[in-house]
Amino acid sequence: DSGVTQTPKHLITATGQRVTLRCSPRSGDLSVYWYQQSLDQGLQFLIQYYNGEERAKGNILERFSAQQFPDLHSELNLSSLELGDSALYFCASSVGMGGSYEQYFGPGTRLTVT
Amino acid sequence: GESVGLHLPTLSVQEGDNSIINCAYSNSASDYFIWYKQESGKGPQFIIDIRSNMDKRQGQRVTVLLNKTVKHLSLQIAATQPGDSAVYFCAEIVPFDYKLSFGAGTTVTVRA
Repeated sequence: DSGVTQTPKHLITATGQRVTLRCSPRSGDLSVYWYQQSLDQGLQFLIQYYNGEERAKGNILERFSAQQFPDLHSELNLSSLELGDSALYFCASSVGMGGSYEQYFGPGTRLTVT
Repeated sequence: GESVGLHLPTLSVQEGDNSIINCAYSNSASDYFIWYKQESGKGPQFIIDIRSNMDKRQGQRVTVLLNKTVKHLSLQIAATQPGDSAVYFCAEIVPFDYKLSFGAGTTVTVRA
């Protein structure tokens, strides 16, 4: 158990809908990262927050957004969903902001868009 | 032991043998490298890391080798066990960056 929690574990929704994925980092970790894992693209970095502020952006679509709240939990919002958005979404956390801090991954949310 | 010279998506290894998993990283500016293990239904789990000023680093039953000349990273697992069956990813980070850039992954299957 990494100490990172993600909810829900599974999510099935229809195209065009909007969903919210939730992540609680390990106690004491200030950084939260979101990754998408699909069969054809592998593990792709989406976005990072540190202590409530956005710090880095990867290949995140404009239909996707995220935020980190004062209690440090984070939410990833996916809207106007398409079939290609079906994937595993992982949250990771680390104590520091820099890339050299070990990132601990949660169990993931499996999103299926039908 | 089982080994591959180039990255292959799958590796089958006999229990008790040594495994070698290869990874070619993409960015010559990367200065920090990590191997992750992902078991079915779980998130990636840190195994071992190495910085670019090192060629080799050893952990418990695992060794990572770094060849910066050819941008190649390898993970050696000694005495492979059934619990080592998983997908293994290498990841790289460039200086002053925050994100992990993951390789394609190798699925390791341990034969009893």
